[in-house]
Amino acid sequence: QQQVKQSPQSLIVQKGGIPIINCAYENTAFDYFPWYQQFPGKGPALLIAIRPDVSEKKEGRFTISFNKSAKQFSLHIMDSQPGDSATYFCAARWKYGNKLVFGAGTILRVKS
Amino acid sequence: EPEVTQTPSHQVTQMGQEVILRCVPISNHLYFYWYRQILGQKVEFLVSFYNNEISEKSEIFDDQFSVERPDGSNFTLKIRSTKLEDSAMYFCASSVSGGRGKTQYFGPGTRLLVL
Repeated sequence: QQQVKQSPQSLIVQKGGIPIINCAYENTAFDYFPWYQQFPGKGPALLIAIRPDVSEKKEGRFTISFNKSAKQFSLHIMDSQPGDSATYFCAARWKYGNKLVFGAGTILRVKS
Repeated sequence: EPEVTQTPSHQVTQMGQEVILRCVPISNHLYFYWYRQILGQKVEFLVSFYNNEISEKSEIFDDQFSVERPDGSNFTLKIRSTKLEDSAMYFCASSVSGGRGKTQYFGPGTRLLVL
């Protein structure tokens, strides 16, 4: 199954909170897992990405946790700010080509 | 910072008409992609293109769709006879090369509405 399941659909947190977005996949033919951030009217922009041989990657306030055996990965946003309000997509790269398979997206709202 | 550009930003067409969506990938990139996002749904892969040929395509990319790199800068998606269900946001993306870890940079999209 070339699917990536993402949850929750939407999330509201207070400023300074730590929203967590979860993704899961079944097929082991994925070899690279990027997260994209999308603001209204814009295309998805790469936020952070991880390879499956790494369990955690941190860039600024954004952290990916990766559990290869469970085929799950998640995005944590530390000290969230109103400017982080956007739609977040997890994705997985199909290793037999270059296509990205996207999750359904999570609409995040950070309240000030 | 270099970016992928797309034109037009919005396109309204009648069912059965042909549309061409245009993209200018980042200049030193060699791999090009089209994705689409139906309103409220996930972003879906359509096609990837390298060295002037399609390298991969999805089930969505049937005979009604075609892609072309008519010159050294543009990359186009043509839909020959549009259907209502082709209404979506179409994103072009490009990457410097293929392979794991090579970021795909997305354009702002063309919103296509088929009436």
